[in-house]
Formats: sequence, C-alpha cells, structure tokens
Amino acid sequence: EVQLVESGGGLVQPGGSLRLSCAASGFTLSSYWMHWVRQAPGKGLLWVSRIKPDGSYTTYADSVRGRFTISRDNVKNTFYLQMNSLRAEDTAVYYCAGGDSGYLGYWGQGILVTVSS
Amino acid sequence: EIVLTQSPGTLSLSPGESATLSCRASQSVNNNYLAWYQHKPGQAPRLLIYGASSRATGIPDRFSGSGSGTDFTLTISRLEPEDFAVYYCQQYGISVLTFGGGTKVEIK
Repeated sequence: EVQLVESGGGLVQPGGSLRLSCAASGFTLSSYWMHWVRQAPGKGLLWVSRIKPDGSYTTYADSVRGRFTISRDNVKNTFYLQMNSLRAEDTAVYYCAGGDSGYLGYWGQGILVTVSS
Repeated sequence: EIVLTQSPGTLSLSPGESATLSCRASQSVNNNYLAWYQHKPGQAPRLLIYGASSRATGIPDRFSGSGSGTDFTLTISRLEPEDFAVYYCQQYGISVLTFGGGTKVEIK
C-alpha cells in the first residue's frame, strides 16, 4: 500500500524557517515527480512546487519562489520542502503528493504549518 | 500563470441527480493537460481525471471529463452519497501548475 507521510510542521514566527519532510513507503520515490500543495484555512488548494524524479529540475509557484526550496533523497525515499522567510499567509495544511510531472495520483494526509507571533 | 475559474461555486443537488462542473482557463491549456480532484474535509485530495478525459485508476465510470483548449467539464452522473465534496480542476500544461478555486457539491 502506498503511503506518503509528512512531518516537520508546527508553529513558527514570521520570518522564521521550517523544513517539511515527506517519507514514502510502498512507493519507489525515484520513479515519480513529487509535489507540495497547500491549503490555507477556508481556502482552496494551491500548488507550491515540484521536483523531477532525478532531482535535476524544479519549479515553484510565484508566491513562494525565492523563499522555498524543494529537494529529494531517493536513497532515503524522502523529499523535502525548506521554507524560509515565512509569512502569515504561508499558514496552511501542506500536502505532499506524487505522480506524473503534472497530475498527482498519490497524496499524504497533510501537515499544518502555522506562521504567527 | 494560467488562471482557472470554476463554476458554479456551489451546486446543491440530490442523490441520483447529475452534476456538471465547469472549469475555464485564462489561456489555452497545452495538450489538454487538465486534471480533476475530489476533496473531502480531513482527507487527502483524490485524483479523478487527467488529460481532460482519462479516468484515474479505480475511479467509477459515473465520473467523466471532457473539453479542450480553455473550457473543460466534469460530469458526475447519478450522484452517490459519497460524491458530495469539493472538486478542483488543475492545469499542468506549463511549468507553473495552478488549481481552480473549487466547486462544492452539497446535498440539497
């Protein structure tokens, strides 16, 4: 059974940093594009970032480019989202997801990130 | 960035009825790279349709997608109780992916 499990969320002050991890089981991470998607309270889904299976190519939403960095460790079957210069508007449930370069067939359950003083 | 506009915002229907959800793109979606997802509170989103009209693995055939260019539709025939949820379209035709704002299908 495919499982994606996020970790590393929590409360952080504005301007702070946080690193999210997404561990895969029953799923060979190295075969898939991996993505982060978020949902702010009461809002819809927002795609955040994606990374190619070999880690050689990444893209970001305009709202996080330059502040967030996606990376992966295929040996550990885990990928990451380093979030710097966090803002209140980054408060959201963050989902990791995997699949094709564009559509997302596998999802984690999500983890809450709260940016507040 | 491609902006996706979903309509209506909310659809109130009874089980057994059909639902027609619209997704309009601000520019043509390359190769009709358009997906649909179902999202229920407290759960992970679920992929329904990719490539505008291909059903994902395990998705019942009462879910169908159609459309091309800038106009896409998700049709749910014979709504089941478990189909009441929020539905999102998503384009992946350019390097920056985007979701629509969602359509909530609620029980009338």
